[in-house]
Amino acid sequence: AQKITQTQPGMFVQEKEAVTLDCTYDTSDQSYGLFWYKQPSSGEMIFLIYQGSYDEQNATEGRYSLNFQKARKSANLVISASQLGDSAMYFCAMREGRDNQFYFGTGTSLTVIP
Amino acid sequence: DGGITQSPKYLFRKEGQNVTLSCEQNLNHDAMYWYRQDPGQGLRLIYYSQIVNDFQKGDIAEGYSVSREKKESFPLTVTSAQKNPTAFYLCASSIPGISYRYTFGSGTRLTVV
Repeated sequence: AQKITQTQPGMFVQEKEAVTLDCTYDTSDQSYGLFWYKQPSSGEMIFLIYQGSYDEQNATEGRYSLNFQKARKSANLVISASQLGDSAMYFCAMREGRDNQFYFGTGTSLTVIP
Repeated sequence: DGGITQSPKYLFRKEGQNVTLSCEQNLNHDAMYWYRQDPGQGLRLIYYSQIVNDFQKGDIAEGYSVSREKKESFPLTVTSAQKNPTAFYLCASSIPGISYRYTFGSGTRLTVV
């Protein structure tokens, strides 16, 4: 079974609008971490936001917030006030406590339309 | 500033040649990783190393080899046995713990000519 599932291969959003990128995960561990990375066309992977499985509050970092729904095993990324520079691939990832490995989703390509 | 340096940024290989991709970090991280990314695809794990002189195969290790003689360095060799090596290669490092993120290098784009 896939550890991380991103069901949106591509998304479009109007500049200045908010957008939600979906991510669901599968783990039997009680302790795990969830991450989002941005990959612009240059290829570098940029860390955006982290959520721990025991964190009760949703994580926020500037315009990025993580909508963490533990019972549903979802960790959606919300980008508010989209900018043209937000156009990129976005990857959801999980790190489990048992093996310290990172598991990545297949990514969502976001295009911001002026 | 600490970080991961991958070199070269672009690499061209003739069929049948071995090539080595460099990955160096000065973050004092114990663990290092190599990923392959094909166009429009996610990241696939090639090899990883949790400690010096030890490494494990990932999901797609066939046709690749690595070494970890120093904590700072984790070079990846793409051998002639790798039938389709054209891809983008990313190196990452981390320390153990679920709250610690990967730090990535800027990647090497390998093309077979």
